[in-house]
Amino acid sequence: AQSVTQLGSHVSVSEGALVLLRCNYSSSVPPYLFWYVQYPNQGLQLLLKYTSAATLVKGINGFEAEFKKSETSFHLTKPSAHMSDAAEYFCAVTTGRGTASKLTFGTGTRLQVTL
Amino acid sequence: KAGVTQTPRYLIKTRGQQVTLSCSPISGHRSVSWYQQTPGQGLQFLFEYFSETQRNKGNFPGRFSGRQFSNSRSEMNVSTLELGDSALYLCASNLRGTGDEKLFFGSGTQLSVL
Repeated sequence: AQSVTQLGSHVSVSEGALVLLRCNYSSSVPPYLFWYVQYPNQGLQLLLKYTSAATLVKGINGFEAEFKKSETSFHLTKPSAHMSDAAEYFCAVTTGRGTASKLTFGTGTRLQVTL
Repeated sequence: KAGVTQTPRYLIKTRGQQVTLSCSPISGHRSVSWYQQTPGQGLQFLFEYFSETQRNKGNFPGRFSGRQFSNSRSEMNVSTLELGDSALYLCASNLRGTGDEKLFFGSGTQLSVL
């Protein structure tokens, strides 16, 4: 079985500051990892995904994440926060082809961006 | 290209009733998955349908069921509703089997059980 742990249910940053959202995973086989964003009253939008091709994954809206096997981590970063980044972010894991639709999600991190 | 469409957007039901939710995937996507989102339990996988067959299933009671039609549209049914079934139900479609699988989510159906 696989799982993800998101450290920090709420993160607050100033506009223009670095965004760092933490995700640690547990999986008995090489994982596929995802970050999704959810804006109020909307569904989830895929930011980026890791499928073993490259450890540094670049996504949409300036976000990127680095897969670190030794630390079982897949933290999400953005160099400079924008007010429009305020949303809830979810890390998710699955174990590969055939199960890509069966994601196990973390509990989410709500990002607040202040002026 | 149209995204994933879920109807209705909001539903209010009473305990003991049954409800059917609908999902139309992105054109060309043959996999449809359903998730339940609640403040207490977070996002939980319900089931996935591909080519009209259930391919994966989560840990939900038999009151939760689904089906998929030949045009890939899917419906989810919950019978004998309980208060705890109040949730946002999200549908997602996927280009299954392509090696570049990723879920595209709809905006969800907000179900309130009174």
